[in-house]
Amino acid sequence: EAQVTQNPRYLITVTGKKLTVTCSQNMNHEYMSWYRQDPGLGLRQIYYSMNVEVTDKGDVPEGYKVSRKEKRNFPLILESPSPNQTSLYFCASSQDGGAHWDTQYFGPGTRLTVL
Amino acid sequence: GEDVEQSLFLSVREGDSSVINCTYTDSSSTYLYWYKQEPGAGLQLLTYIFSNMDMKQDQRLTVLLNKKDKHLSLRIADTQTGDSAIYFCAESGIDSWGKLQFGAGTQVVVTP
Repeated sequence: EAQVTQNPRYLITVTGKKLTVTCSQNMNHEYMSWYRQDPGLGLRQIYYSMNVEVTDKGDVPEGYKVSRKEKRNFPLILESPSPNQTSLYFCASSQDGGAHWDTQYFGPGTRLTVL
Repeated sequence: GEDVEQSLFLSVREGDSSVINCTYTDSSSTYLYWYKQEPGAGLQLLTYIFSNMDMKQDQRLTVLLNKKDKHLSLRIADTQTGDSAIYFCAESGIDSWGKLQFGAGTQVVVTP
């Protein structure tokens, strides 16, 4: 079954404690992306990756890092989380980042609370 | 920067038609999308339209695009309780390769 998985689904942590949210896709997609969803703001893109070892900033990259060492995985790293990073995070993948948005798949989301 | 705007809430009776509206500012938008998010779930692509099209119909869904006014709408015919969700409008364009710009989402509540 084609899918994007994220772990953990729920996380409560404290300010400053480094954390990683994993994202994995089984569709051999080149493009992967991270979004955060906040009430009244919709989804805002944090980082995206066009392929292995190719990453770029989205609209709200501050406080986040990503890596793309393998095609299937695109972890989101918060080196020093702060309360304003409390949000719902979605990972997505698609065949490419342009003409094939119609093949974009979203993960189930990770709800992060930073105290 | 690019902006996508939607009304935040829509209430509709079961069996009626729903119309969700969206406006965007990026004139280079080439693809416009509608996504559905059910409670506790990720986003599901409902339909999309290319900027050189005016209309696209897919079963109960009709997408209308007014490129001159940069206005996109999604009509759901015979709305059912299962259509209760948040609907997001999104756009991407040649100048924003790799970036999908979302609106804030419209909460649709279907009442019996």
